[in-house]
Amino acid sequence: QSALTQPRSVSGSPGQSVTISCTGTSSDVGGYNYVSWYQQHPGKAPKLMIYDVSKGPSGVPDRFSGSKSGNTASLTISGLQAEDEADYYCCSYAGSYTYVFGTGTEVTVL
Amino acid sequence: EVQLVESGGGLVKPGGSLRLSCAASGFTFINAWMSWVRQAPGKGLEWVGRLRSKTDGGTTDYAAPVKGRFTISRDDSKNTLYLQMNSLKTEDTAVYYCATEGSASFNYWGQGTLVTVST
Repeated sequence: QSALTQPRSVSGSPGQSVTISCTGTSSDVGGYNYVSWYQQHPGKAPKLMIYDVSKGPSGVPDRFSGSKSGNTASLTISGLQAEDEADYYCCSYAGSYTYVFGTGTEVTVL
Repeated sequence: EVQLVESGGGLVKPGGSLRLSCAASGFTFINAWMSWVRQAPGKGLEWVGRLRSKTDGGTTDYAAPVKGRFTISRDDSKNTLYLQMNSLKTEDTAVYYCATEGSASFNYWGQGTLVTVST
C-alpha cells in the first residue's frame, strides 16, 4: 500500500486561504468517502481536523474544510492564522479494514 | 476529558521484543475500537493496526509490514491497550501512538512513546 501523495509544503500570508491536495487511487481515496485530515505541531501528537471527507469535529474552527473529487481529496484553510502553521496529513480507508496516510504537508504562515 | 498515555518504549536490539501499553481514561474504553499509529523520525504517519471492542468481536487487523510480528490486545478491566512487538527490525524505529478509532478516523491520540531498534 503506497502512501497518498501530498505536496511537501504550502504557504500563505495571514488571512489568505491555502489548499492541500491528497492524491490516491480508486482503491483508497476514490473508492470510499472515508478521508480524514490531521494537524501536527512539532513534537506533538496529531489532532483530527476533518473526517468523512468534509465533516468537522466539535471544537475545530470552521476555517478548516474538506472536499473530494475522484481520487484527490483536499483540505482548505481559510483565513490563515499563525497557529495554523503545522504539518498536515490526510488519511483514507484503503479496503480490507486498513488505512493509508498521506506523505504530509508543511504549512508555513508567511 | 479523554486521556491516552503510552508507555513501554525504549531501546531494543534487532530481533528483540517490546510491549507497549496505552492507559485510557475519560471515555468508555470497553466500547472503543483502538488503533496504533507510528511515525518514524522525521517521517510521516503509518497505521499499524486496530483492535475492535469485544462487543464487536474483539478482532484485529494489521498493516502488512507488521502482520505476523505485532499483536494488539486489551485489558478492559484496566482500561489498557497493548502492542506486543516481536522480531523487531531497524525500520520499526518510530514514535508509537495509540488512538481511538471512530467514523473511519482517529479521534483522540496519546502523546506517543519512542521505540528505537538498534545495535
